[in-house]
Amino acid sequence: GIQVEQSPPDLILQEGANSTLRCNFSDSVNNLQWFHQNPWGQLINLFYIPSGTKQNGRLSATTVATERYSLLYISSSQTTDSGVYFCAVDPFYSNFGNEKLTFGTGTRLTIIP
Amino acid sequence: DGGITQSPKYLFRKEGQNVTLSCEQNLNHDAMYWYRQDPGQGLRLIYYSQIVNDFQKGDIAEGYSVSREKKESFPLTVTSAQKNPTAFYLCALAGLYGYTFGSGTRLTVV
Repeated sequence: GIQVEQSPPDLILQEGANSTLRCNFSDSVNNLQWFHQNPWGQLINLFYIPSGTKQNGRLSATTVATERYSLLYISSSQTTDSGVYFCAVDPFYSNFGNEKLTFGTGTRLTIIP
Repeated sequence: DGGITQSPKYLFRKEGQNVTLSCEQNLNHDAMYWYRQDPGQGLRLIYYSQIVNDFQKGDIAEGYSVSREKKESFPLTVTSAQKNPTAFYLCALAGLYGYTFGSGTRLTVV
């Protein structure tokens, strides 16, 4: 099946710093999403981004589908940004009616006040 | 209140017992999914259903069972055959703009 690798596995930053999280995937995809898992376990959908660039406030994401990677940018980090960030993909070869997300192992981000 | 609801939030099970986790939605989505998360790990797919009365095994279906008798509900049963059931269980829906997750159920075997 498709492989999803995220880097770095851990990141510790001072409040106000910027960060870039990377997601590499091994095959073409229909769907790519970035999620933030908060300390209570809730998975929050940040971006649905199988290709192109999107921005939402201090967060933005870029997926270069032809090169099979996606980047999540966080600017002016706040302590509430702490948590685990997951990239998840649905491979292009999945048949209609058989779509399912495969998750990477995540990047644990810690923002220090 | 719209969306996807999982219950209970916390569940304790004795060894050898079956337990059922609830997942309900009122968004009229066809596709529903169950994932398992172990500490410090990503999510792994247990079962999924694209339509009522049909469901498919995911990557780690052994020791689990599901039903999809109505569109709104996709309960997961953790059976006594599941050797390591202690984990965080998440239910999800698939919509036009990606997946939405419930708040999860933490299952602990005591």
